[in-house]
Amino acid sequence: DVKVTQSSRYLVKRTGEKVFLECVQDMDHENMFWYRQDPGLGLRLIYFSYDVKMKEKGDIPEGYSVSREKKERFSLILESASTNQTSMYLCASSLGTAYYGYTFGSGTRLTVV
Amino acid sequence: RKEVEQDPGPFNVPEGATVAFNCTYSNSASQSFFWYRQDCRKEPKLLMSVYSSGNEDGRFTAQLNRASQYISLLIRDSKLSDSATYLCVVVNAGNNRKLIWGLGTSLAVNP
Repeated sequence: DVKVTQSSRYLVKRTGEKVFLECVQDMDHENMFWYRQDPGLGLRLIYFSYDVKMKEKGDIPEGYSVSREKKERFSLILESASTNQTSMYLCASSLGTAYYGYTFGSGTRLTVV
Repeated sequence: RKEVEQDPGPFNVPEGATVAFNCTYSNSASQSFFWYRQDCRKEPKLLMSVYSSGNEDGRFTAQLNRASQYISLLIRDSKLSDSATYLCVVVNAGNNRKLIWGLGTSLAVNP
């Protein structure tokens, strides 16, 4: 089975800190995605990447950036954390097209204080 | 109108019951459809794809109605372990890497 691993299950950071969320997948998937999930708002796409060094903005990229230096790793960066970025962050990967579905990591629950 | 809409529930059913959820979508050009399951405080997991001809996987049946623009998920002989949130996902034509997610339908199966 594809495994998507997120580096932290829970994180608490202070307002203004630079925060790195790491995601690694082990099945050579081309596509990787970062979502956040909030009650009443569902899953919202932040950024995605089709290949190494490629990235595209999702629906809510403001306040975030990403890095994909290696195919297996996709990092989400909060440049200056704010309290409204407190959320569950989910990384996903997929092979080729979305027809195959996504495999998600177990998520990182980030609290910004 | 939201692109993908689901009744949030909760649906409370006894063990052994049959329960069905619908999900409506607004883009008639939508290409493919999925159901995901998400347990409390866990990540979503792919439950099944939804094909034009309908498909079945054990106690689960998924159907697509393109004319009325909805998909459905039927669960027969509900188990306690079926308690979860069921997310409907739609992929629109021309952008097959970007999924449109519903907010989910909550199911509680009671003893």
